[in-house]
Formats: sequence, structure tokens, C-alpha cells
Amino acid sequence: AQSVTQLGSHVSVSEGALVLLRCNYSSSVPPYLFWYVQYPNQGLQLLLKYTSAATLVKGINGFEAEFKKSETSFHLTKPSAHMRDAAEYFCAVTMNTGNQFYFGTGTSLTVIP
Amino acid sequence: DVKVTQSSRYLVKRTGEKVFLECVQDMDHENMFWYRQDPGLGLRLIYFSYDVKMKEKGDIPEGYSVSREKKERFSLILESASTNQTSMYLCASSPLARQETQYFGPGTRLLVL
Repeated sequence: AQSVTQLGSHVSVSEGALVLLRCNYSSSVPPYLFWYVQYPNQGLQLLLKYTSAATLVKGINGFEAEFKKSETSFHLTKPSAHMRDAAEYFCAVTMNTGNQFYFGTGTSLTVIP
Repeated sequence: DVKVTQSSRYLVKRTGEKVFLECVQDMDHENMFWYRQDPGLGLRLIYFSYDVKMKEKGDIPEGYSVSREKKERFSLILESASTNQTSMYLCASSPLARQETQYFGPGTRLLVL
């Protein structure tokens, strides 16, 4: 079975500081991995995805994530946080069999002025 | 741009009422999904459909049913709404290929009194 664990349901950073949101997956075969962002009262929007090409994936709004098979991780980073990055972030995994996505429980990012 | 629309942003219903949530996508996607989102639980899959008139149960189908009579439209039905179905409901669609992104609607916040 596939699952995703997001460590830290709430993360606070100062404006301009590094953002690091953690995601670990469990999978017996290489997965496809996604990060989504949800702004207040909106649906989810794709930030970036890993589909077995380059292990370092660049997404929108300056975010990137690195797939590390040895650590079964896909952590999301951004060098310098902006106030507009305050949102809920979800990591998700899907496999090369089946259409189902498995979402983490989400991490709420607060950016402190 | 892919557009997924949901019939209502906010909905208030009474216990025992039959509730219809409608979702429409305009990108000819084969797959459509219904999730509910609750604080601390992330997104949980209720039902999904990979073709017209086809449906598969997700992780929490109890108390829900779905209908897909046309490719672009996927309806979620609460036969007899209960207070524990108060939640945010998100619809998503994706192409058939397994690593493809899911595109989300803006969500319907349902309150059952």
C-alpha cells in the first residue's frame, strides 16, 4: 500500500527565510510524486511533480523539490519565503498502476513579517 | 487552461435532506474524483470514475453515491445528509495516463444542520 507522511502540520518561517516542508512516502516501486498548494477558500493547485525524470524538480513560485530514493523523501523547499506563500501544502503520491492519488495530511505554512 | 467547476461554493442543508454536488470539467478528461477535506485528515477519496457510467469506491464511500452520465460531469450524492458529512468537498479530474496531474475545482463547503 502507498502512503505519504508530512512531518509537521504547522510550519512558521520569517519572511525571507528558507522554507522546508517535509514529505516521506512509502512505496514498493518508484512512485510519481506531487506537491500541491491550497490558498484560503480555494481548491488545490499543482506546484510541481516528479515523474522519474530529473530528481530535482523546479515548480512555480520559486519552489523546488528533490526526490531521494534512499531516504524515500520528496521535501519541498524555497530559498526565501514571501508573505504570499502562506497557504496549506499537500504532498501526494500515485503509482504506475491505478489512478488513485494518496495525499498527506497537509502542512500549514505561516510567514511572519 | 483546465477548468473544473463546482456547482456551489457554500451549501447549507438539514439532516436527512438529499444533497447533490455537481462537478464539470472542460478538458475531456477520462478520470474524475470526489474528495472530502477535513482539518488534520487531509484529502480522503470518496469515489472516482474513469469513464462514463463507471465508478470505483475510494477510501470513505459510506453515505455517498455518484453518477457519471456524461464524460464532463461527475455528481456526488448524499442520499440522507448527516451532521458528520459537514466538510469541504473537492472535485478533481485528470487524463487517463497514470502520472498525470489532477486538476481541482474550487471546492464546496457543506454545512449540515
